[in-house]
Amino acid sequence: DGGITQSPKYLFRKEGQNVTLSCEQNLNHDAMYWYRQDPGQGLRLIYYSQIVNDFQKGDIAEGYSVSREKKESFPLTVTSAQKNPTAFYLCASSVKGDTEAFFGQGTRLTVV
Amino acid sequence: SQQGEEDPQALSIQEGENATMNCSYKTSINNLQWYRQNSGRGLVHLILIRSNEREKHSGRLRVTLDTSKKSSSLLITASRAADTASYFCATLDSSYKLIFGSGTRLLVRP
Repeated sequence: DGGITQSPKYLFRKEGQNVTLSCEQNLNHDAMYWYRQDPGQGLRLIYYSQIVNDFQKGDIAEGYSVSREKKESFPLTVTSAQKNPTAFYLCASSVKGDTEAFFGQGTRLTVV
Repeated sequence: SQQGEEDPQALSIQEGENATMNCSYKTSINNLQWYRQNSGRGLVHLILIRSNEREKHSGRLRVTLDTSKKSSSLLITASRAADTASYFCATLDSSYKLIFGSGTRLLVRP
């Protein structure tokens, strides 16, 4: 089946640790996005990428890093510099950034 | 910052009534999109309207776009309990940044 897959669904992190959230798509989409959603809030853009080996910061990039070494994959690392990382993280992809975006089911990250 | 601001933040209606949500944005856009999110899930695309279009329909959904006022509205006609969800507008700017609004939480009472 074609789609976009995020893993894991739930992730627990100790304070001071880096964690990496996976996002994989087999839709042959060029554009990929990472968003953070806090309870009862909208989506805030962390990073986005329009092409392999290139990505841009969104509105809340501090404390996060990404890579885009393959078209299918856009992993997000939440670093220890992110002081309040507990949130719901959503990954999305689209054909060229000018069409509808398809979303994964999200990763819920909790700091323990 | 969020590009889109939605109004109202929450809406409660009776099944069979129409629901209208509004979205305002700040910068020039290529297109505006509406998405739906059920609690704790990913978003599902509903409809896309391009900057040179004024109105678009899809089933029970009607979207309007007024670029002079930088605003859009989503109308859901003959609402059903299954329409209960959060609805978000999203705008795509010239740098292909896809920015979401704060959302409207819709409750349709049976």
